Amino acid sequence: GAVVSQHPSWVICKSGTSVKIECRSLDFQATTMFWYRQFPKQSLMLMATSNEGSKATYEQGVEKDKFLINHASLTLSTLTVTSAHPEDSSFYICSAPAPTDTQYFGPGTRLTVL
Amino acid sequence: AQKVTQAQTEISVVEKEDVTLDCVYETRDTTYYLFWYKQPPSGELVFLIRRNSFDEQNEISGRYSWNFQKSTSSFNFTITASQVVDSAVYFCALSERNYGGSQGNLIFGKGTKLSVKP
Repeated sequence: GAVVSQHPSWVICKSGTSVKIECRSLDFQATTMFWYRQFPKQSLMLMATSNEGSKATYEQGVEKDKFLINHASLTLSTLTVTSAHPEDSSFYICSAPAPTDTQYFGPGTRLTVL
Repeated sequence: AQKVTQAQTEISVVEKEDVTLDCVYETRDTTYYLFWYKQPPSGELVFLIRRNSFDEQNEISGRYSWNFQKSTSSFNFTITASQVVDSAVYFCALSERNYGGSQGNLIFGKGTKLSVKP
């Protein structure tokens, strides 16, 4: 079964609203989680690294004030897309490296901003 | 710099044909991991294999096989006797160790879309 869950699996929102996406590791603790974004017909690109107990690290070109990341516990990281706009519509996927050196990915969240 | 190149954007085969998906990587680290994932239309990434840089043994799992060649920095994936259900986008990815020893994020290739026709 899935060892990393994401919620919601899809969301449609109006422009200007904020959306929160949760990523949970179910069978292990993860001090680090990664957030990726995938636009249609493109590859996955790392947005940020979520660190439990410290600030997230953002990739170049990713606005930290727009994409708020909170690593609330050793099993939960949240990504909040603030003041969402249509160009933020994308597939967001989180991953967590397990102690076994395997990276587990969540099922993804499809965000559509109208 | 780390980089993963999947030169084949799309491949179309007829069922039962064998198909090889190419993956070439670049890294300066001596310790790294290579992955293959399958992404069906639903979007969820399906883990296929992980290989660490010290294990060059080729692997076979049913109709799937992988050829890891450090000398050419390649990690190719072959599907034998392809089936329609193999149709998906396949991603090759690279991960290195962070300072402190934990596994870093994955760097993905652009993916290869495989279409298997009946």
